[in-house]
Amino acid sequence: DQQVKQNSPSLSVQEGRISILNCDYTNSMFDYFLWYKKYPAEGPTFLISISSIKDKNEDGRFTVFLNKSAKHLSLHIVPSQPGDSAVYFCAALDRDDKIIFGKGTRLHILP
Amino acid sequence: DSGVTQTPKHLITATGQRVTLRCSPRSGDLSVYWYQQSLDQGLQFLIQYYNGEERAKGNILERFSAQQFPDLHSELNLSSLELGDSALYFCASSGTGHLIYGYTFGSGTRLTVV
Repeated sequence: DQQVKQNSPSLSVQEGRISILNCDYTNSMFDYFLWYKKYPAEGPTFLISISSIKDKNEDGRFTVFLNKSAKHLSLHIVPSQPGDSAVYFCAALDRDDKIIFGKGTRLHILP
Repeated sequence: DSGVTQTPKHLITATGQRVTLRCSPRSGDLSVYWYQQSLDQGLQFLIQYYNGEERAKGNILERFSAQQFPDLHSELNLSSLELGDSALYFCASSGTGHLIYGYTFGSGTRLTVV
């Protein structure tokens, strides 16, 4: 039973363009969401987060949007750079402060 | 270097064997979490310890167990290993207060069961 779903296993985007990674969740009790980035042979690293009281959070080239009514999140990367090629995990914090992860989306930035 | 140290980085063992994965949390962090990442699966939560006590349990098999020691390092013990236990095992740690930055992860232990 996947509470956090990333339905696109992979995504290819041209360098310089916008990358949009999507995520859906089923548990309406989630009130804090995070995105992690993972390179091969490394652990996931925190990228950006958003509280459910907001609908947007921006940090440099990265922006996360939250649509609570649709239980949908998206991560926008503008402009996309070669170093952005990685696996991106969408995650939610449950009431016990346990992080529930999606399966990840592998982003390929094409030259 | 995230500050979370996992050893060993790689482990190859035979079915039926027992292994121990070790994790040292970031300095000052009291919580340790263990996650499993199998092929085509996301990060599956296994178990959490807080200051030596088990705090939460996820989909952890009975063949698996963990503990957190007084110096706060943690060990994940996997026994009667099966081929399907081959995976990346991540340890993460966190401090107290709201997890605005989530957890800090180690670089993982890749377990291969042959």
